[in-house]
Amino acid sequence: DGGITQSPKYLFRKEGQNVTLSCEQNLNHDAMYWYRQDPGQGLRLIYYSQIVNDFQKGDIAEGYSVSREKKESFPLTVTSAQKNPTAFYLCASGLWTGLYGYTFGSGTRLTVV
Amino acid sequence: AQSVSQHNHHVILSEAASLELGCNYSYGGTVNLFWYVQYPGQHLQLLLKYFSGDPLVKGIKGFEAEFIKSKFSFNLRKPSVQWSDTAEYFCAVGGSNDYKLSFGAGTTVTVRA
Repeated sequence: DGGITQSPKYLFRKEGQNVTLSCEQNLNHDAMYWYRQDPGQGLRLIYYSQIVNDFQKGDIAEGYSVSREKKESFPLTVTSAQKNPTAFYLCASGLWTGLYGYTFGSGTRLTVV
Repeated sequence: AQSVSQHNHHVILSEAASLELGCNYSYGGTVNLFWYVQYPGQHLQLLLKYFSGDPLVKGIKGFEAEFIKSKFSFNLRKPSVQWSDTAEYFCAVGGSNDYKLSFGAGTTVTVRA
């Protein structure tokens, strides 16, 4: 079945550590996105990529980094510079036109301990 | 910059009641409009979308939404809700030449049996 796989489902991080969240899709979508979901704030865009080896900052990119070396993969690194990293992170993919909306992964819940 | 406003944070209904969730957006061009639903423990999935044509669009599970251009609104409706409609609902807007979606803060709908 085609879809998006995010791993791990739950992740615990100590303060000062970098962690990388995985996102893989087999939908042959050109565009991939990372959103952060916090209660009462909806989904906020962190980074997005329309093609391989290219990506752009979203609304809340500070403290995060990404790479897009393969069409299928768009990992997100939450760095120690991110002041409030505890959140639910959602990866999505879609056609480059954005016309049909996105397909979402099941998310990763990151907790800083 | 585009923005999306959802009027209700939490709606509580009894089964068979009618549901209407408000969504207003701010964007200076042609838009694509979406409603997504997130059932408890599940990933976000597309309920319905509007690109052009008939402003009344029908989606899955008996939901519909009406695009009123003059009011910059895209309200979601269901004539008779079921307990299984308990979920969080997100309105999203994207420009017709844009690859990014902006999401509202979400509305939690609780349907009491």
